[in-house]
Amino acid sequence: DGGITQSPKYLFRKEGQNVTLSCEQNLNHDAMYWYRQDPGQGLRLIYYSQIVNDFQKGDIAEGYSVSREKKESFPLTVTSAQKNPTAFYLCASSPKTWPEAFFGQGTRLTVV
Amino acid sequence: RKEVEQDPGPFNVPEGATVAFNCTYSNSASQSFFWYRQDCRKEPKLLMSVYSSGNEDGRFTAQLNRASQYISLLIRDSKLSDSATYLCVVNRVTGGGNKLTFGTGTQLKVEL
Repeated sequence: DGGITQSPKYLFRKEGQNVTLSCEQNLNHDAMYWYRQDPGQGLRLIYYSQIVNDFQKGDIAEGYSVSREKKESFPLTVTSAQKNPTAFYLCASSPKTWPEAFFGQGTRLTVV
Repeated sequence: RKEVEQDPGPFNVPEGATVAFNCTYSNSASQSFFWYRQDCRKEPKLLMSVYSSGNEDGRFTAQLNRASQYISLLIRDSKLSDSATYLCVVNRVTGGGNKLTFGTGTQLKVEL
């Protein structure tokens, strides 16, 4: 089945630790995105990438880093510099020509 | 001013009612538009794209007004299963690719 896989679904970390969230897609989509959602809030764009080895900062990139070494993979690292990392993280992908985005099931990160 | 704005609601309507949501966007360079549906604690799912001429999918009708920079979604004959948060999404092409910006969402509750 084609789709987007995020893992893990739930993640707990201690404050001060870096953590990497996985996102893999087998839809052959060019574009990939990372969003953050806080309770009762909308989605805020962290990073996006149109092609391999290139990515752009979104609206809230501080404290996060990404890589795009393969078309199907776009991992997100939440660094210790991110002041409020506890949130629901959503990865999406879309074709380049018409950006209908499809989402993974998300990772709920809790930092204690 | 936010790039995409929506009335957060909640809209509480009886089953069978017609309900309309509006969304405004601030950047006139925005090129494509979408409505997503998000159920509680789930990932957003594409409801429909919004075309310049307006488009309909069953009980759902989407309209775009580029001159006034707003998008609307009309739901006719509301069902209990329509209860969800509806997210307006605007795409703008940047130097780095498609940048999808989400509104904060409008919550709909359909009641018996």
